[in-house]
Amino acid sequence: KAGVTQTPRYLIKTRGQQVTLSCSPISGHRSVSWYQQTPGQGLQFLFEYFSETQRNKGNFPGRFSGRQFSNSRSEMNVSTLELGDSALYLCASSLGDRVSGANVLTFGAGSRLTVL
Amino acid sequence: AQTVTQSQPEMSVQEAETVTLSCTYDTSESDYYLFWYKQPPSRQMILVIRQEAYKQQNATENRFSVNFQKAAKSFSLKISDSQLGDAAMYFCAFISYNAGNMLTFGGGTRLMVKP
Repeated sequence: KAGVTQTPRYLIKTRGQQVTLSCSPISGHRSVSWYQQTPGQGLQFLFEYFSETQRNKGNFPGRFSGRQFSNSRSEMNVSTLELGDSALYLCASSLGDRVSGANVLTFGAGSRLTVL
Repeated sequence: AQTVTQSQPEMSVQEAETVTLSCTYDTSESDYYLFWYKQPPSRQMILVIRQEAYKQQNATENRFSVNFQKAAKSFSLKISDSQLGDAAMYFCAFISYNAGNMLTFGGGTRLMVKP
């Protein structure tokens, strides 16, 4: 079956612009979570969406937002880009249930954002 | 809040030899999962192995096995018969049983495999 698909794979923006990243989960997966990976801060959780509702949120400023559609596809948006937002943004999907055995995340290949 | 610590930024191993990557974590939770993920140069995060905290038996997946010491909050990964394709960044990760899919990652260990 198809894996987690993230688009675009690479993009370059300038400070002050905004960006939207997309994530299509594995078919049947209802949870989509987003992570930011930088050399300095490592992997940090941004937020998780389950059935179109934000279920968890990490410690990021309000410039970072997301949403999930009825088909479980998710988008994240970063407004007023800063140089420090340059990172690999990883999306992961899972069935989403809170019961044993369901918390296995499958990651996409990531979207690499460069802010100039 | 949980923390995950990987004290070895880099490790190297000779092909066909065995290597152990260390991970410690801190949590007040009693029910949780622990994972090892591999991130090769392609940057795609791949699940290597998973351990459920309530299971005393250490998880094993082919050449990969863990040593889970719950009381010590330690979760090391052993790679046997190392192969060139094992070269990658390895991340230890923690997820609370009822925290949805909010993973807490360690800083990673870069594993180099020498031919």
